[in-house]
Order: sequence, then C-alpha cells, then structure tokens
Amino acid sequence: EPEVTQTPSHQVTQMGQEVILRCVPISNHLYFYWYRQILGQKVEFLVSFYNNEISEKSEIFDDQFSVERPDGSNFTLKIRSTKLEDSAMYFCAGRQGAVNTEAFFGQGTRLTVV
Amino acid sequence: GNSVTQMEGPVTLSEEAFLTINCTYTATGYPSLFWYVQYPGEGLQLLLKATKADDKGSNKGFEATYRKETTSFHLEKGSVQVSDSAVYFCALGSNFGNEKLTFGTGTRLTIIP
Repeated sequence: EPEVTQTPSHQVTQMGQEVILRCVPISNHLYFYWYRQILGQKVEFLVSFYNNEISEKSEIFDDQFSVERPDGSNFTLKIRSTKLEDSAMYFCAGRQGAVNTEAFFGQGTRLTVV
Repeated sequence: GNSVTQMEGPVTLSEEAFLTINCTYTATGYPSLFWYVQYPGEGLQLLLKATKADDKGSNKGFEATYRKETTSFHLEKGSVQVSDSAVYFCALGSNFGNEKLTFGTGTRLTIIP
C-alpha cells in the first residue's frame, strides 16, 4: 500500500540553525500539507500546497517557514532560523482530490530545538 | 473559526471494555468529521469519517455518528482489544477548497489485558 514517507524521524538542532524536513507524498496526490503538534497540544495546520504554490497558510507559518516541491516528488518544509518553540512533531499529508477525499499522513518528524 | 474539543486523556481500559471518546466541534457551514488514529511509531491513519449530519462512520468495530444538534462526533467501540492502544484524534474538514483539517488534542488510549 502506498504511503507517505517523512525523514528524518527525529532531528535535534541548535537554536538559530536552519532545518529542512522532508516528505515523499503518494505519487498521485495533488494537495499537500504540513501540520505540527507541540507536545501536549493540538495538531495545528501550517500550510497547504497545490499546483506548486501555497494555497493557504496559518498564522504560525511566518517568514521563517517555507515549503517547496522542487522535483515533483519531495515536499519539504524549511525553517530558516529555528526557535525553541519550534520544537514539535511535524506531519506531512497529501490528498488526491479537493473535497471529501482522505488525507494520508506520514509518521512525523520530531524536531527538538536546543 | 473552526475548533474541536476532545476528551482529555490518557484513558486506560481493560480488554473487552466499552470505549467512548468524546468529541465536540464548532464550525461554520457543514464540515466533514473524522477520527484519525496513530499507532506507536506510525503516522496518522484515517479510522472513520462522516460527511453529513446523521451519517455514521464505522471501521474495525469503531463507530461515530455525526450529530449536528449536539455538534458531536463521539467515538465508540463495544469491546476494545489490546491492539486498539493508540492515540485517537478527532478532526473536522472544511469541505471547501483545499479542505485542511482542524484537529483536537488527541486521546491516548491504553488497553490492558
């Protein structure tokens, strides 16, 4: 069964460093998302991506964050200068269609900023 | 805006016990409602969904009914198994455009033999 793959599973980085979280979505998906979950809190929407551009982003997704899908397969989330409060589990997801189709999630990347 | 309030965990039950995890929501319009499950070391998986009022989603013995009058989507299972131990997330989707999901906090369920 096709699955969404995220790497790495755990990343530790120093405050102020750049990190790139990687995701390989299912090949026939068209809509892509990043979510995050700070420990003990809700899973929060960060950004959605369609047709090679951001379609929606949350207040969390400020100028420190960026996404791209440079080669038509990998979908990456970059945090330019990490802060302690960026420590969270980050989930990538993809969907085949626009409405009422299931979102498939990766297993998550746990980011720890020290 | 949209929001989901989910029963706080953790929840510990004995095998074969009855399970209820409460979920209520606030939304504009007519969202779809979902339960996702995360088993240890794995990603979020869709467990069941309901797309309109009074729909019942069901899968693997779990059920949830979309109740518009009480804005609820409680998850139930008649007889839980050790293999049901996981984190359960209630979520709603906007049904418009890119249909991002709004999640609850998740409920960690542990079933003891």
